[in-house]
Amino acid sequence: KAGVTQTPRYLIKTRGQQVTLSCSPISGHRSVSWYQQTPGQGLQFLFEYFSETQRNKGNFPGRFSGRQFSNSRSEMNVSTLELGDSALYLCASSLDLAGGVNTGELFFGEGSRLTVL
Amino acid sequence: KQEVTQIPAALSVPEGENLVLNCSFTDSAIYNLQWFRQDPGKGLTSLLLIQSSQREQTSGRLNASLDKSSGRSTLYIAASQPGDSATYLCAVRDYNTDKLIFGTGTRLQVFP
Repeated sequence: KAGVTQTPRYLIKTRGQQVTLSCSPISGHRSVSWYQQTPGQGLQFLFEYFSETQRNKGNFPGRFSGRQFSNSRSEMNVSTLELGDSALYLCASSLDLAGGVNTGELFFGEGSRLTVL
Repeated sequence: KQEVTQIPAALSVPEGENLVLNCSFTDSAIYNLQWFRQDPGKGLTSLLLIQSSQREQTSGRLNASLDKSSGRSTLYIAASQPGDSATYLCAVRDYNTDKLIFGTGTRLQVFP
């Protein structure tokens, strides 16, 4: 059974550019969430999607956005990149929601490492 | 606001030792707690998931306990091996926000 796949694994951008990251969840998983990991702030929640709907959002500016497709694949976009956006972006998938809250086990991809110059 | 703390931040032990990693959270209103390991430059690997109604979970040499009322969880690693060297993270699913809140991690080094 294939795990969570994230592309690209590494990318370098310059300030002001935009970037799109992709995440393919484990087959059958309908919930996808995104996290930003930096040495200074640790792991921080960005957003969570279920059945193409954003069901939760972290405290990030509007430059960070995401979406989920009907096949559960998800993308996140960061516009007008800043130096501080350099980070490892992690995607996680889980099987389903129980009672509207995701209480399932999360499985993470290898991440997309973004460097902003 | 839920906060998750892990102590110690770093730990270095000889191979074969049994060890305990600690995770504390400030608000006992959680759905569950999950332990992960992360190797350098890699994603997170799920180790154990404990629902709020459970007290412990075991997988191989790993045992995790949860005391929700005191806001604590421990990850016990038996007979540590060099391959256990990694950063260990705990995360709680917060009841009030539905968000997964991560701890700061414990960097473990097991030397031969």
